[in-house]
Amino acid sequence: AQSVTQLGSHVSVSEGALVLLRCNYSSSVPPYLFWYVQYPNQGLQLLLKYTSAATLVKGINGFEAEFKKSETSFHLTKPSAHMSDAAEYFCAVSKTGGSYIPTFGRGTSLIVHP
Amino acid sequence: DAGVIQSPRHEVTEMGQEVTLRCKPISGHDYLFWYRQTMMQGLELLVYFNNKAVMDDSGMPKDRFSAKMPNASFSTLKIQPSEPRDSAVYFCASSFQPGNTIYFGEGSWLTVV
Repeated sequence: AQSVTQLGSHVSVSEGALVLLRCNYSSSVPPYLFWYVQYPNQGLQLLLKYTSAATLVKGINGFEAEFKKSETSFHLTKPSAHMSDAAEYFCAVSKTGGSYIPTFGRGTSLIVHP
Repeated sequence: DAGVIQSPRHEVTEMGQEVTLRCKPISGHDYLFWYRQTMMQGLELLVYFNNKAVMDDSGMPKDRFSAKMPNASFSTLKIQPSEPRDSAVYFCASSFQPGNTIYFGEGSWLTVV
């Protein structure tokens, strides 16, 4: 079975500081990995996804994530936080074969202080 | 292009009443998902369809919830009778094929009093 663990339900950073949101996964087969963002009162939207091509994936709004097989991690980073980055972030894992259903993490709320 | 469209956006209903949530997926998407989001449980998959057929509804309480997809462009999630513990945000989402991005609607905010 596949699973996702997001470390930290809340992460607080100052504007301009590095953003690091952690995601570890387990999967019995090579995974597809996703980061979604949910702004207040909205649905989830895709930030970026890894589908076995380049291990460093660049997404929208300056975010990127690196797939590290040896660490079973897919952490999300952004060099400089902006106030508009305040949102809920979800990591998700999907198998490349068999059951397609993606498994979502519990989410991490990013708080950005002025 | 239009995204996933859900209605109603907000609903307040009394315990025991029937609630019907509606969804129009993105045209051409064969997969349709219903999720429920609460503070306590996070994002839960209730049911998903492939080509209008239910593939997995193991996350859906069968005694009061039912989901249908009568055609490729419309799905409903019905709760009867509704209970206060059903208060949540219900998201419909669709996807083209396995491994692809899931596109979410803006959600239906349900409050059962």
